[in-house]
Amino acid sequence: DIVMTQSPDSLAVSLGERATINCKSSQSVFHTSKNKNYLAWYQQKSGQPPRLLIYWSSTRESGVPDRFSGSGSGTDFTLTISSLQAEDVALYYCQQYYSIPWTFGQGTKVEIK
Amino acid sequence: QVQLQQSGPGLVTASQTLSLTCAISGDSVSSNSAAWNWIRQSPSRGLEWLGRTYYRSKWYNDYEVSVKSRITINPDTSKNQFSLQLNSVTPEDTAVYYCAKTQSATGENWFGPWGQGTLVTVSS
Repeated sequence: DIVMTQSPDSLAVSLGERATINCKSSQSVFHTSKNKNYLAWYQQKSGQPPRLLIYWSSTRESGVPDRFSGSGSGTDFTLTISSLQAEDVALYYCQQYYSIPWTFGQGTKVEIK
Repeated sequence: QVQLQQSGPGLVTASQTLSLTCAISGDSVSSNSAAWNWIRQSPSRGLEWLGRTYYRSKWYNDYEVSVKSRITINPDTSKNQFSLQLNSVTPEDTAVYYCAKTQSATGENWFGPWGQGTLVTVSS
């Protein structure tokens, strides 16, 4: 199984400041023949199911604000919130879909400082 | 717009069977491009993919190894829904259970949309 490890477990950021979440996979999730990274990011607010933010490591889902961006390749990935808003307080998860079983990171809690 | 609506009991007795259903609107359980998944979430295990069912000229299933001996995911084409059965449950199976779609034919195995979630508590 591919193990996904996120860091940090939690972070507190001032409104308007940048938040950066890291995700590391135990093996590469880059598919060479497709030239794509099989990595997604989700946001989960209290009492709700996760919401897809980013897929193919850097493609924003329709309707997701452009302050959310994804980057990275191979085994190391980053989700950046460029200017934190109050509504961004949530848990964030990465997920690999390179090989079954699909696996998630343990989550990163983002709060307002 | 695809929507998933979950139903099923929130309380199951240990050693019994957990059963949940996910009704699909805006798509077909028999879609040749989609897959229909169950995922659970608990404080101890985080988000855990349990398995999926999908149709590619015939029905297929994939299951997570840790639950493979206890799990069944079945489609119901007459009602356009799919179900989860987890046998011989223990308190460790207490979790919020979600159904979710993936677009697996093209490798797009990210989850969305999701059902609303069902908190299932296993009582000993």
